[in-house]
Amino acid sequence: AQSVTQLDSQVPVFEEAPVELRCNYSSSVSVYLFWYVQYPNQGLQLLLKYLSGSTLVKGINGFEAEFNKSQTSFHLRKPSVHISDTAEYFCAVILVQGAQKLVFGQGTRLTINP
Amino acid sequence: DAGVIQSPRHEVTEMGQEVTLRCKPISGHNSLFWYRQTMMRGLELLIYFNNNVPIDDSGMPEDRFSAKMPNASFSTLKIQPSEPRDSAVYFCASSRGGGTVTDTQYFGPGTRLTVL
Repeated sequence: AQSVTQLDSQVPVFEEAPVELRCNYSSSVSVYLFWYVQYPNQGLQLLLKYLSGSTLVKGINGFEAEFNKSQTSFHLRKPSVHISDTAEYFCAVILVQGAQKLVFGQGTRLTINP
Repeated sequence: DAGVIQSPRHEVTEMGQEVTLRCKPISGHNSLFWYRQTMMRGLELLIYFNNNVPIDDSGMPEDRFSAKMPNASFSTLKIQPSEPRDSAVYFCASSRGGGTVTDTQYFGPGTRLTVL
């Protein structure tokens, strides 16, 4: 079975600083990879997804992620964060040849300090 | 586009009572998903439907949980009887594809359930 590990439960950063949220996955078969964001008291919103092609994926709100197959990682980055980026971020995988079952990591809470 | 609509947004009930959560997917979407979010277990898929047909209910915790999708624009998740450990945020999501794994899932705002 596949699994997702988000290595940091909380990440505090200062406004305008860069940030990286780490995600590693485990699967014996090929997967697609996703990052979702959850703002307080809201549902999840897709930030970006990797399906194939270039390993660097750009998403909304200035976020990007890089797929590294050898390290089974899909880390999320932003060069300069804003207060409005304060949220919980979830990494998720879905089997390429499987059912529509997203498997989520435990989430990383990003806190932006002024 | 109204997005995925869930009701109620908050539900407080007593142990043993029946609880019904409701979801209206985005119009034209063929797949519907029910998730549960708790501090201990994170986000878990409970069940999903394609074209109103349940495809995978392996995430449903036990027989006290049931889900239906009588038509393309409405789904319910029912817990009977409810227990305190069912307290969680329940999300409904929908996607366009009706079976395509790469389609984006759009989430509703969730229902926060508290069972006393």
